[in-house]
Amino acid sequence: GAGVSQSPSNKVTEKGKDVELRCDPISGHTALYWYRQSLGQGLEFLIYFQGNSAPDKSGLPSDRFSAERTGGSVSTLTIQRTQQEDSAVYLCASSLIRDQPQHFGDGTRLSIL
Amino acid sequence: DAKTTQPNSMESNEEEPVHLPCNHSTISGTDYIHWYRQLPSQGPEYVIHGLTSNVNNRMASLAIAEDRKSSTLILHRATLRDAAVYYCISSEKLVFGKGTKLTVNP
Repeated sequence: GAGVSQSPSNKVTEKGKDVELRCDPISGHTALYWYRQSLGQGLEFLIYFQGNSAPDKSGLPSDRFSAERTGGSVSTLTIQRTQQEDSAVYLCASSLIRDQPQHFGDGTRLSIL
Repeated sequence: DAKTTQPNSMESNEEEPVHLPCNHSTISGTDYIHWYRQLPSQGPEYVIHGLTSNVNNRMASLAIAEDRKSSTLILHRATLRDAAVYYCISSEKLVFGKGTKLTVNP
């Protein structure tokens, strides 16, 4: 079956522009997670969605970052007024529920010039 | 804060067992321990998870200490394809550290 799909796989943009990153989770998975991974570092938690509950936004680094999940399925992570320090791989994962194993996409590599 | 602590790196020889440790002394009683691994240029891959009892699957075994303050991921016979960064996390806090980089020598 289809795994977690992220698009685009690569994104290069100029400093100050807004970007949108998309995640298609595995069908039926109620939990969805966004992480960020800078070069040579571990994963940094950004935001977590569980069903229709209010998302856990505790990991978002600034108010330039936001995310939504429409219809309990597809999620979009938006970064406004991008900065060079936003350059990283952005990973999405989904799971049946929170305590169950997460299935990761291959990420979006974001480069800010 | 259910933070986990792992060694930065470990090395093994092919076809030998590997024991990857993880400390999670502040984990809550209902918090699962998950292990993932990540190969270069790929997203993390689920390996195994458990709560209190030891767990086995086709990839590995997970030994959880009786006090749940630590756990060990066991690869029974390391292969070159097992070379990766291994992360242990608590399902509650979703905090991935830098993990353990496992090198497997032929």
